[in-house]
Amino acid sequence: DAGVTQSPTHLIKTRGQQVTLRCSPKSGHDTVSWYQQALGQGPQFIFQYYEEEERQRGNFPDRFSGHQFPNYSSELNVNALLLGDSALYLCASSFRLGQGATGELFFGEGSRLTVL
Amino acid sequence: GQNIDQPTEMTATEGAIVQINCTYQTSGFNGLFWYQQHAGEAPTFLSYNVLDGLEEKGRFSSFLSRSKGYSYLLLKELQMKDSASYLCAVRDKAAGNKLTFGGGTRVLVKP
Repeated sequence: DAGVTQSPTHLIKTRGQQVTLRCSPKSGHDTVSWYQQALGQGPQFIFQYYEEEERQRGNFPDRFSGHQFPNYSSELNVNALLLGDSALYLCASSFRLGQGATGELFFGEGSRLTVL
Repeated sequence: GQNIDQPTEMTATEGAIVQINCTYQTSGFNGLFWYQQHAGEAPTFLSYNVLDGLEEKGRFSSFLSRSKGYSYLLLKELQMKDSASYLCAVRDKAAGNKLTFGGGTRVLVKP
């Protein structure tokens, strides 16, 4: 049973560019959340997708957008990259809370983005 | 918003016990999670508390007091492989049940 998979694992971009990160959830999970983790910090919530819609959003600008596909996989897009966007981007999947689940998140290994 | 506070760093000796405290403020508490994260790796789930009391899982235990907005993670019989960051995360109904993480506590286990 494959866990949460993310791609790419590492990438380098320059300021002003755009990036797309991809995530496939753990088998059977229907909810995907994205987090940004700066070095030495805890993960910061970006947004959550369920049934192909953004359900919750953290304090991130509109440059951060996402999408969920019918097979539950998800993408995170960041436009007009800034140096401060350099971080580890974590995707986490779960069952929808209330479906007999605790809502425990299962994390992928992350995509490490460096903006130069 | 939510405030989740945990110490930045702790050091302990192999075989000893370490207790990592977490305090939080929420308006609609709906569960507290502890995750372990080794350097360069993904966080992995350790424990979940939604009712007051102690949950024990082998060498790891987690305690919750909802009235005090307080939890701790207890690591017993420390091993070198326990050197990692430990993340406290709180789910808040008022925030759409998203999981909000603290800054993490880096635990260094010395021989």
